[in-house]
Amino acid sequence: DAGVTQSPTHLIKTRGQHVTLRCSPISGHKSVSWYQQVLGQGPQFIFQYYEKEERGRGNFPDRFSARQFPNYSSELNVNALLLGDSALYLCASSHRVEDVGETQYFGPGTRLLVL
Amino acid sequence: RKEVEQDPGPFNVPEGATVAFNCTYSNSASQSFFWYRQDCRKEPKLLMSVYSSGNEDGRFTAQLNRASQYISLLIRDSKLSDSATYLCVVNPGYNFNKFYFGSGTKLNVKP
Repeated sequence: DAGVTQSPTHLIKTRGQHVTLRCSPISGHKSVSWYQQVLGQGPQFIFQYYEKEERGRGNFPDRFSARQFPNYSSELNVNALLLGDSALYLCASSHRVEDVGETQYFGPGTRLLVL
Repeated sequence: RKEVEQDPGPFNVPEGATVAFNCTYSNSASQSFFWYRQDCRKEPKLLMSVYSSGNEDGRFTAQLNRASQYISLLIRDSKLSDSATYLCVVNPGYNFNKFYFGSGTKLNVKP
């Protein structure tokens, strides 16, 4: 079975631009979470979606938004990019969201560089 | 205070050594715990879940101490291929499946 897929793998943008990152979860998984990982740090939670509804939001500004589609794939949008948005953006999928012991499986990430 | 804290290392050990990592978490009501492994410039991959009774998977042993709010990972007979960053992960389990990650502990296994 295919794992979590993300596109693009790498992206270079300039300050002020916007970016859209895409994620397809593992087949059968209905929950998608987005994380930001800055170099030298652990991933930080941005959003979680389940059955197309936002179920959780981390401490990120309103410039960050996301959505989930009927096929459970997801997009993360970031507007008005800042240099500090440069990071690895990870998507994780899990089967359900209510089961707290549910493992999350990560995609390879999108590496975003903002110049 | 951070939700999850880890010693960043690096831990430099020879092949065959036993190495232990600890991690502390701040929310005493946290529900589930994991260790993930992350290779350089790759995504985190699940190493093992951590259960209250402790659990073992080959050379890896994970322990949870709820009273002291810490989690440990023991690696026996280290291999060169164990070199990676080990991330401690806690799920507070409010009403959705959100992971809090530590900053990771870097392990270098030398020949």
